[in-house]
Amino acid sequence: NAGVTQTPKFQVLKTGQSMTLQCAQDMNHNSMYWYRQDPGMGLRLIYYSASEGTTDKGEVPNGYNVSRLNKREFSLRLESAAPSQTSVYFCASSDPGANQPQHFGDGTRLSIL
Amino acid sequence: GQQVMQIPQYQHVQEGEDFTTYCNSSTTLSNIQWYKQRPGGHPVFLIQLVKSGEVKKQKRLTFQFGEAKKNSSLHITATQTTDVGTYFCAGKFSGTYKYIFGTGTRLKVLA
Repeated sequence: NAGVTQTPKFQVLKTGQSMTLQCAQDMNHNSMYWYRQDPGMGLRLIYYSASEGTTDKGEVPNGYNVSRLNKREFSLRLESAAPSQTSVYFCASSDPGANQPQHFGDGTRLSIL
Repeated sequence: GQQVMQIPQYQHVQEGEDFTTYCNSSTTLSNIQWYKQRPGGHPVFLIQLVKSGEVKKQKRLTFQFGEAKKNSSLHITATQTTDVGTYFCAGKFSGTYKYIFGTGTRLKVLA
């Protein structure tokens, strides 16, 4: 019973490099979310996808792109990484129909040098 | 913009003391959720409040939603070392699928 799986768990990048963070859920949820967590800032929404085929910007979308590949998978791409994007990234999923809770993955700890 | 403020940022208590964290929004919320994140872990859902003035209890935890649906609180009675972590509220605004998280309150319990 995996829930929400994020890969990789840790990554170190150099400024300007690109990478894609992967997220997959096996709970048949419609909605998926990407957050970043920085000390003292709580969780800030980057992008979300209310359902397969749709994506919307959250609070801090600049520098990121997303793809809702299918109902299970929602990826986050950094095209040209910057040190300000050093953070812990969490993916979450939920069924929005009845105000259901969000289920979070274990996170990806990303450092950009 | 839509914001959810949470106070205090940190709280250190002696084991057995009570603890309260507060969330406030400038606009009416559709509903509010509370999460707990243990050090090094991910947020875990605790509870959801939907109705104006709603009060829910989970053992030593009491959650309240304000009459105007603009504020909420989490109160822990007689804290234990297992309560250590960061508590987040997350508010949802009408007409949207997204939640806005508060900045969290980090609780440290001294044995």
